[in-house]
Amino acid sequence: AQSVTQLGSHVSVSEGALVLLRCNYSSSVPPYLFWYVQYPNQGLQLLLKYTSAATLVKGINGFEAEFKKSETSFHLTKPSAHMSDAAEYFCAVRDSGYSTLTFGKGTMLLVSP
Amino acid sequence: DVKVTQSSRYLVKRTGEKVFLECVQDMDHENMFWYRQDPGLGLRLIYFSYDVKMKEKGDIPEGYSVSREKKERFSLILESASTNQTSMYLCASSPPASGRPYNEQFFGPGTRLTVL
Repeated sequence: AQSVTQLGSHVSVSEGALVLLRCNYSSSVPPYLFWYVQYPNQGLQLLLKYTSAATLVKGINGFEAEFKKSETSFHLTKPSAHMSDAAEYFCAVRDSGYSTLTFGKGTMLLVSP
Repeated sequence: DVKVTQSSRYLVKRTGEKVFLECVQDMDHENMFWYRQDPGLGLRLIYFSYDVKMKEKGDIPEGYSVSREKKERFSLILESASTNQTSMYLCASSPPASGRPYNEQFFGPGTRLTVL
């Protein structure tokens, strides 16, 4: 079964700094990959997804993620953090042929002025 | 836009009560899912359904059951609520992954359940 590892339960950055949230998956066969964001007291919202069309995927709110097969990683980045980016971020994977997603444990992004 | 709604945002129940959490989606999706979310544990799948009256156990089905009588509605039932079921419950829906593996799941706003 797939597993997803998000390194760091909390990441703190200053406003304007680079955001890097890490995600590694376990499968030797590249799965389908997603990043979701959850703002306080809300459900999850899709940020971006890997569709194999390009290894660098652009999402909403200035976020992007790069698929690296050799590293089994799909790290999320944003060049310049805003206060409004403070939220919890989840990486998720789906194996081919399955409808279910496996989620990482989440990373809380804290942005300080 | 896809909309997934959940019947309550906050719910307080007593130990031993039977609890119903309702979820409705308006996009004619075949798949529906129930997760619970706990700090440090991420989202864990309780049950999912790929068609009316069809259900599959997820990773943590114990203490829960589900019902899907209509395509748009998926209910989670706690037969006898216990304090360790205090959690955030999230419902999601999606088209089938077969042939369209990039389809994402769409989430409702969640129900924060407290069992006293």
